[in-house]
Amino acid sequence: AQSVTQLGSHVSVSEGALVLLRCNYSSSVPPYLFWYVQYPNQGLQLLLKYTSAATLVKGINGFEAEFKKSETSFHLTKPSAHMSDAAEYFCAVKNFNKFYFGSGTKLNVKP
Amino acid sequence: DAGVIQSPRHEVTEMGQEVTLRCKPISGHNSLFWYRQTMMRGLELLIYFNNNVPIDDSGMPEDRFSAKMPNASFSTLKIQPSEPRDSAVYFCASSPYSGGITNEKLFFGSGTQLSVL
Repeated sequence: AQSVTQLGSHVSVSEGALVLLRCNYSSSVPPYLFWYVQYPNQGLQLLLKYTSAATLVKGINGFEAEFKKSETSFHLTKPSAHMSDAAEYFCAVKNFNKFYFGSGTKLNVKP
Repeated sequence: DAGVIQSPRHEVTEMGQEVTLRCKPISGHNSLFWYRQTMMRGLELLIYFNNNVPIDDSGMPEDRFSAKMPNASFSTLKIQPSEPRDSAVYFCASSPYSGGITNEKLFFGSGTQLSVL
C-alpha cells in the first residue's frame, strides 16, 4: 500500500531562515515522489518530482528535496525563506496512475 | 495551453439540490481525476478516468455522487441530492498517461468551491 505522512500541519519560519518540511512515505514499489504547492484559492502546482536519476532534486523557487531510501523520506528544503513562499505544501507518492497525497503542511513566513 | 478548466468557480446551493461540476482537461491528456479537499480530510481522490473510462471510483463517498466523461475534453461530477457535509473544494486534474508506471505529474484546475447550506 502507498501512503504519505507529513509531520507538522503548520510550520512557521522567519524570512531568510531555512525551510524544512518533512515527508515520509510507504510504498511497496520504487516510489515516484512529488512535492506540490498550493497558494490561496488556487489549485496545486508542481514544485519538484523525484525521477530516480539523482537523490537530490531541485525544483522551482529555490526548493529542493532529497530522497533517502533508508529513511523512506523525501523532505523539502529551501535555504532562505521568502514571504512569497507562504502557502500549503503537499507531498505525494504515485503508484501506477494514482496519486496519494499527504495531509499538507501550511508554511507561514514571518517578516 | 489554457490548463485544466473548471466551472463554476464557486457554487452555493441549498441542501437537497442537484449540483453539477464541470471540467475540461488539458488537450491530449488521457487521464482525468476528481479530488475533494476539506480541512478535516485533506485531499481525497474521488474517481479517475483513463481514456474516458472510469478506472477507480472507490473514493466516491456514496451513491449521491456520480461522474461521467462523455468525451476526452469534458467531465462532470454530479451530487444529487446535495448535503451540507458535501461542502468542500473540488479539484479536477489531468495527466498524460503512457500506460505504464511513469512519473508524469498531475495538472490541477483552480477548483470549485462548493457550499451547501
